[in-house]
Amino acid sequence: AQTVTQSQPEMSVQEAETVTLSCTYDTSESNYYLFWYKQPPSRQMILVIRQEAYKQQNATENRFSVNFQKAAKSFSLKISDSQLGDTAMYFCAFGASGSRLTFGEGTQLTVNP
Amino acid sequence: DAGITQSPRHKVTETGTPVTLRCHQTENHRYMYWYRQDPGHGLRLIHYSYGVKDTDKGEVSDGYSVSRSKTEDFLLTLESATSSQTSVYFCAISVAGGIYNEQFFGPGTRLTVL
Repeated sequence: AQTVTQSQPEMSVQEAETVTLSCTYDTSESNYYLFWYKQPPSRQMILVIRQEAYKQQNATENRFSVNFQKAAKSFSLKISDSQLGDTAMYFCAFGASGSRLTFGEGTQLTVNP
Repeated sequence: DAGITQSPRHKVTETGTPVTLRCHQTENHRYMYWYRQDPGHGLRLIHYSYGVKDTDKGEVSDGYSVSRSKTEDFLLTLESATSSQTSVYFCAISVAGGIYNEQFFGPGTRLTVL
């Protein structure tokens, strides 16, 4: 069974600064997908970024980028130029063919003005 | 916007009563899911469906049943609600297909069982 670990229950960052959220996973699969979801106070789950394991290039979406280290089974999310609207719970998720999508426990990020 | 709605959005009920939550999608996606979200546990899969009348259990299916008689609707039923089922429930769909692929979520239903 796959496991996903987010070791930082809470983090904070000053507006306009950069913050990195950590995620590690455990799997014996060679091909899989990794995701970061954002859940603001509205409770809506929003897909932030997606990485396919066979792609060596790290995914980027505007101010959001990932550092995917396949050998280390690490998938961190970097948020640049943090904005107040980035305040949310962030979930890392793992998916491989033949198994369900597995979520980490989440990291609560607070962006301070 | 994946066109997913959930009803009701909030519900308070008493222990032992039956409860049905509805998920509706507008785009005929094959895969639909029900999750519950609890502090310290992230999202956990309750049941999922891969087509009309085709459903399977997730990791926390005890006490829950589902039905899918139409592509657009996926119902989650708590036959006899318990306080441990107080939670936020999310419905999701897969656009690209496959239970392991990216999913898009409805707005959630907050259920309180007294």
